[in-house]
Amino acid sequence: QVQLQQWGAGLLRPSATLSLTCAVYGGSFDDYHWNWIRQSRGKGLEWIGEINTSGSATYNSTLRGRVSFSVDKAKRQVSLKLTSVTAADTALYFCTRRSPILTRNWFDSWGQGTLVTVSS
Amino acid sequence: QPVLTQPPSASASLGASATLTCTLSHGYTNYQVDWYQQKPGKGPRFVVRVGPSGIVGSRGDGIPERFSGAGSGLYRFLTVKGIEEDDDGDYYCGTDHGSGGNFVSSYVFGPGTTFTVL
Repeated sequence: QVQLQQWGAGLLRPSATLSLTCAVYGGSFDDYHWNWIRQSRGKGLEWIGEINTSGSATYNSTLRGRVSFSVDKAKRQVSLKLTSVTAADTALYFCTRRSPILTRNWFDSWGQGTLVTVSS
Repeated sequence: QPVLTQPPSASASLGASATLTCTLSHGYTNYQVDWYQQKPGKGPRFVVRVGPSGIVGSRGDGIPERFSGAGSGLYRFLTVKGIEEDDDGDYYCGTDHGSGGNFVSSYVFGPGTTFTVL
């Protein structure tokens, strides 16, 4: 049974860089794509982007330019960085797993979520 | 890209049936949507994928057959039969407005429906 455990700083000042990491325990790491999704009161659930273990990534166009992902295959970890944060980036951030196989390419496992608050 | 609409709340009694609705915006009649259930303090849980002809593929891990899906035009339905207390929570639909490749290019979610078991 796969488990996604995530962590990172929970309180940031405006203009800081948000940095979160997600570790994958159990299951295959290479056979899946890894996504970040955030949830806020104002915008609900918002897809941030996806990365595979080769490092190829896609991003939500509304965040492109501020967001980047990285992957560490040896540690089975994926990371998210979001630069120049504002209060609008305050949200609960989730790491999720998705199969690239079209017949089952939904988000089938989710991390516990990390609450990030941006405030001066 | 498609916009998904969901009513903010729904309710049903224990043992009864309930149908939750997700409406796709105009022009997206051939789209599939994924249904997710979220409990307070937890990440969403995949329930089932629903297309124009009904359920696509398998239900999520541990999701009973009481959960079924159907599609009609722009509507994608999630029906729960024999409602149990644990069926309450927030239900979201989502869809990938992508190119058909194996990467998500633009995934959008509906605003969610809070489902209460009476």
